[in-house]
Amino acid sequence: DAKTTQPTSMDCAEGRAANLPCNHSTISGNEYVYWYRQIHSQGPQYIIHGLKNNETNEMASLIITEDRKSSTLILPHATLRDTAVYYCIVRVANNFGNEKLTFGTGTRLTIIP
Amino acid sequence: NAGVTQTPKFRILKIGQSMTLQCTQDMNHNYMYWYRQDPGMGLKLIYYSVGAGITDKGEVPNGYNVSRSTTEDFPLRLELAAPSQTSVYFCASIGTGVGNTIYFGEGSWLTVV
Repeated sequence: DAKTTQPTSMDCAEGRAANLPCNHSTISGNEYVYWYRQIHSQGPQYIIHGLKNNETNEMASLIITEDRKSSTLILPHATLRDTAVYYCIVRVANNFGNEKLTFGTGTRLTIIP
Repeated sequence: NAGVTQTPKFRILKIGQSMTLQCTQDMNHNYMYWYRQDPGMGLKLIYYSVGAGITDKGEVPNGYNVSRSTTEDFPLRLELAAPSQTSVYFCASIGTGVGNTIYFGEGSWLTVV
């Protein structure tokens, strides 16, 4: 199964861009990369997802390397409310064709005033 | 369209008691999941279902049971509650088709004393 690896923690100054990396070296060709965040044990909040092209929405940008083995979530102008744990998720298919979600380790992002 | 709804939000159980965490979604999603999250830790998959009548174990299924009699509902059953099952439980769902967004419930806080 494809696994993801993320740094345990990161700090970023308020107003600067926060760049959160994720490694998924065994990702398959039709698997998507999702990013979620979780604030204070609330339900995880969807941020963005992508397959191979870079994606941008009102919250963030997602940069996926050409070989798809890693990606970076970019929060362009981090605010204190972006302090959270960020999860990189790859949609995984098991041997029987069923799918289950596999969470990465998560990165605790702290925005510094 | 309410998304994924979990009940109850908070519950205290005595050791050996049983209870059911309810999860329902109104998006006609085939895939549904139950996760638990211990304090300061990431999410771990308990059980998942790829459609009505089909369920499978995740990483930490011991002590739990599930059923999926309808597309909408995916209850999680604790038969003999133990202190080790004190955790926050999240239900999630995702539609079929590649790249669909994952929806999470707001969580159920369970304490076993």
